[in-house]
Amino acid sequence: DTAVSQTPKYLVTQMGNDKSIKCEQNLGHDTMYWYKQDSKKFLKIMFSYNNKELIINETVPNRFSPKSPDKAHLNLHINSLELGDSAVYFCASSSLSGTGTNEQYFGPGTRLTVT
Amino acid sequence: SQQGEEDPQALSIQEGENATMNCSYKTSINNLQWYRQNSGRGLVHLILIRSNEREKHSGRLRVTLDTSKKSSSLLITASRAADTASYFCATALSGYSTLTFGKGTMLLVSP
Repeated sequence: DTAVSQTPKYLVTQMGNDKSIKCEQNLGHDTMYWYKQDSKKFLKIMFSYNNKELIINETVPNRFSPKSPDKAHLNLHINSLELGDSAVYFCASSSLSGTGTNEQYFGPGTRLTVT
Repeated sequence: SQQGEEDPQALSIQEGENATMNCSYKTSINNLQWYRQNSGRGLVHLILIRSNEREKHSGRLRVTLDTSKKSSSLLITASRAADTASYFCATALSGYSTLTFGKGTMLLVSP
């Protein structure tokens, strides 16, 4: 069974469109994250949710809006897509209330290409 | 600013050889973690070392941490072609904070 899953795996869309990426984890974790990995493989945290509440919101354009309907899901909605949004987006989860470490489990990624 | 910096950026070795990757960071940390990313896949957690630990082993992996030098190394012994991947270090300021990732070391192991 997949621990952290994301859909879709690939997303090709035109500038100006609005799109969503979905993430689900079945690990019972209390914290979920969105990362952006650029073409040089640099991985940058975008958002962090703990028990459905936003706890970290790094410097990200407000065109990006995360939504957590429950602890197992964290979706990412992007409005008015721009060329610079092209990247691989990773969802991850961890159990901060468990071991007290932030070991993270990653999804397979969504490769977003904006044309 | 970016916390972790891996060195080298790329490493090419033969199967059976050992691979060593280094990570330097800037501020005090609670723990440091190493992750592996195979091409086109998500990151996989390999090992975590806490700030009060100096060395840790997991199978063919050996991680060291020198907090005085703010550096860590990951040693993969007897490498295999399947070890070909990018390796990232990630630092945490506390056990509950987010992780800051370095740019990674790309390891190529040739048969």
